[in-house]
Amino acid sequence: GAVVSQHPSWVICKSGTSVKIECRSLDFQATTMFWYRQFPKQSLMLMATSNEGSKATYEQGVEKDKFLINHASLTLSTLTVTSAHPEDSSFYICSTEGPNTEAFFGQGTRLTVV
Amino acid sequence: AQSVTQLGSHVSVSEGALVLLRCNYSSSVPPYLFWYVQYPNQGLQLLLKYTSAATLVKGINGFEAEFKKSETSFHLTKPSAHMSDAAEYFCAVSGGTGFQKLVFGTGTRLLVSP
Repeated sequence: GAVVSQHPSWVICKSGTSVKIECRSLDFQATTMFWYRQFPKQSLMLMATSNEGSKATYEQGVEKDKFLINHASLTLSTLTVTSAHPEDSSFYICSTEGPNTEAFFGQGTRLTVV
Repeated sequence: AQSVTQLGSHVSVSEGALVLLRCNYSSSVPPYLFWYVQYPNQGLQLLLKYTSAATLVKGINGFEAEFKKSETSFHLTKPSAHMSDAAEYFCAVSGGTGFQKLVFGTGTRLLVSP
């Protein structure tokens, strides 16, 4: 089946630095990618929707200057957490629509900011 | 707008017992409904989905769910729990024809004891 590869699976960074998370669709074209965030013991919350070749659409309350999304190709979308702080520590997951309108999720990235 | 309510943040069962995870939804349009399972530090795996066809939906790993419009419910069941079923389960709803912008419930952690 279709696969979405998310990298890295975990990352620890210092406060103030930036971290880039990549999601690749391995065997199909992903025109739309959804980025979710999951705090410990909570559900997934949609952060933004990225569309290939255009600006991302952010959900209310999500800082677009802090969470930069780039969807430059049909197989790659990236989320960059800029000037990370401890409160940004979370589990980030991407998803996209594969063939047959199935939803496919990446493996997730656990970000810890120290 | 759509929303999902999952009753019970934790459900404990014995191995071999019936599993029942509750989900109620609210949607202004005919909903698509999903159940996902998440193992620790992993992404989400689709268990099953309802897309306005048969109201009783069978999924993977012996799980099934029944869509009841009159009760706005989509409860997940499995006749006999296995130790490997221990995980976090999320109910989700989307409006429209696909799963774009999934709205997730808060999740239910299933604990299975020997």
